[in-house]
Amino acid sequence: EPEVTQTPSHQVTQMGQEVILRCVPISNHLYFYWYRQILGQKVEFLVSFYNNEISEKSEIFDDQFSVERPDGSNFTLKIRSTKLEDSAMYFCASSELEGGLGGELFFGEGSRLTVL
Amino acid sequence: DQQVKQNSPSLSVQEGRISILNCDYTNSMFDYFLWYKKYPAEGPTFLISISSIKDKNEDGRFTVFLNKSAKHLSLHIVPSQPGDSAVYFCAASLGTSGSRLTFGEGTQLTVNP
Repeated sequence: EPEVTQTPSHQVTQMGQEVILRCVPISNHLYFYWYRQILGQKVEFLVSFYNNEISEKSEIFDDQFSVERPDGSNFTLKIRSTKLEDSAMYFCASSELEGGLGGELFFGEGSRLTVL
Repeated sequence: DQQVKQNSPSLSVQEGRISILNCDYTNSMFDYFLWYKKYPAEGPTFLISISSIKDKNEDGRFTVFLNKSAKHLSLHIVPSQPGDSAVYFCAASLGTSGSRLTFGEGTQLTVNP
């Protein structure tokens, strides 16, 4: 069964460092997303991406964050200068249809980011 | 952000019995509702969904009920199995206006053999 894959599974970084989280969405999917879950809190939407541009972003997704689909298969989330509060599990997801139209989102297993 | 709320952090049921997980929402613009299941160290897995034009959707052992007037939905699992033990998240979407899913806090379901 096709799946969304994410790397790394766990990354530890120093505050102020840049981090890139990578995702390979399901190949025929058109919509891509990043969500995150801070320990003990809700899963929160960060950004959605369609047709090589951001279609929606949350208030969390500030100038420190960026997304890219550099090569037609990978979908990356970059945090330019990490802060302690960026420590969370980051989930990539993809869907054939726009999620709000009933398209099921397929999630990866997550990348745990720990900022020291 | 309290737009989607799951008030029960945990639920414990016996194998074979019914599990009922509840979810409340405040935003009447939500148009589509989903339930996801999550095992430790895995991402959320889609279970079942319902459009706001329906009040019930069934898929095997899983049934979702939507009460729009009460802004309440529930997930029924019958019969419950030990493998159903996981965290269950309710999520809502604005439908055609966007693809953002707003999640509840999750309910840890434990099904005892």
